[in-house]
Amino acid sequence: EVQLVESGGGLVQPGGSLRLSCAASGFTFASYWMTWVRQAPGKGLEWVASIKQDGSEIYYVGSVKGRFTISRDNSKNSVFLQMNSLRDEDTAVYYCARQWELQRAFDIWGQGTMVTVSS
Amino acid sequence: SYELTQSPSVSVSPGQTASITCSGDKLGEKYACWYQQKPGQSPVLVIYQDTKRPSGIPERFSGSNSGNTATLTISGTQAMDEADYYCQAWDSSTAGVFGGGTKLTVL
Repeated sequence: EVQLVESGGGLVQPGGSLRLSCAASGFTFASYWMTWVRQAPGKGLEWVASIKQDGSEIYYVGSVKGRFTISRDNSKNSVFLQMNSLRDEDTAVYYCARQWELQRAFDIWGQGTMVTVSS
Repeated sequence: SYELTQSPSVSVSPGQTASITCSGDKLGEKYACWYQQKPGQSPVLVIYQDTKRPSGIPERFSGSNSGNTATLTISGTQAMDEADYYCQAWDSSTAGVFGGGTKLTVL
């Protein structure tokens, strides 16, 4: 079964850091782009970051540039999101998703992990 | 930065056709995708590459994309189709972008 499982969410104070992980199974992880998408409570989806199969191309939404870092370990079938200098507005459910390279669509999604930034 | 605009809500009677639109500058020159999200659940891809349905998505879901507007059409709408729908595209400068979402009500 094709599956993505996120972990690492939790409560963190403003200015703090958190590292999210996403474990993939059931498909050839190294063959796909991977993406993080977030959804603030009661709000819409927001694309956060994407990484190419070999990590040679990386993209971020402007609001997280310089604070968040996406990375991957193909030997462990995992993608990560290191989040530093967290702000209240980063509070959201964070989903990882598998991305098709040509169509740029996100076809498989994890269940999400909640990140709450609050003092 | 690139933006996609959706109407906040659409209502449709059961059995009728629902149309949800997504507008963006020269959107027709990009691939548009659509996602369905029900409360408490992760999004599900229902249309990719403007018109194609992933395996398992009912035939009543269809898509089009031309000019500045992409459209998701649900024919013979069922109660189970009530959900939030998001369009998405990839822009060379902005990378990933989602529309604000449309809440589809079936009443």
